[in-house]
Amino acid sequence: EADIYQTPRYLVIGTGKKITLECSQTMGHDKMYWYQQDPGMELHLIHYSYGVNSTEKGDLSSESTVSRIRTEHFPLTLESARPSHTSQYLCASSATFGYTFGSGTRLTVV
Amino acid sequence: GQQLNQSPQSMFIQEGEDVSMNCTSSSIFNTWLWYKQDPGEGPVLLIALYKAGELTSNGRLTAQFGITRKDSFLNISASIPSDVGIYFCAGLNYGGSQGNLIFGKGTKLSVKP
Repeated sequence: EADIYQTPRYLVIGTGKKITLECSQTMGHDKMYWYQQDPGMELHLIHYSYGVNSTEKGDLSSESTVSRIRTEHFPLTLESARPSHTSQYLCASSATFGYTFGSGTRLTVV
Repeated sequence: GQQLNQSPQSMFIQEGEDVSMNCTSSSIFNTWLWYKQDPGEGPVLLIALYKAGELTSNGRLTAQFGITRKDSFLNISASIPSDVGIYFCAGLNYGGSQGNLIFGKGTKLSVKP
């Protein structure tokens, strides 16, 4: 069973609101990732972290920010949500080769 | 940067048919992985390949790591409705600039009962 959890699963929020998407893993993995995915489409890496206090931007530019204060926790924040942020956000972690993904957060900004 | 070309982009097949999809790259990879994503969920690892020429099976799924290390294929035999989803290939090059997996764009599989 996957030991990586994302909350909430679904979020509908108004434009301009600040939101934080939570991601936690209990596997002790150093590496964690955030992907953005439109329905049925490819995965775009937006942020990654190789350990505590380490964060980097991914291939796809994103207005979101991330933090890594604890190994197990890698939250993503949008300071001011816009309709263009509507998407699915997937969190993943890894020790060596394979990534373990969470179930995702489906975000809709109205 | 490194890119994976995954094909076909989508497939619509009859239940019971065999399925084949592949990934190619201009770069060498040390590890190939295949994931499946069910609708509304995150991708789940199906098969991992660590050595050129390696052929690995997982039930009705079979995947191979190409000899040149630049390609991989995934076969599904006797497809069933629950095979529906998006299949992603992913490659890892230990010497990559980020050390991260590179994902293909996915193959969307639809199975008609």
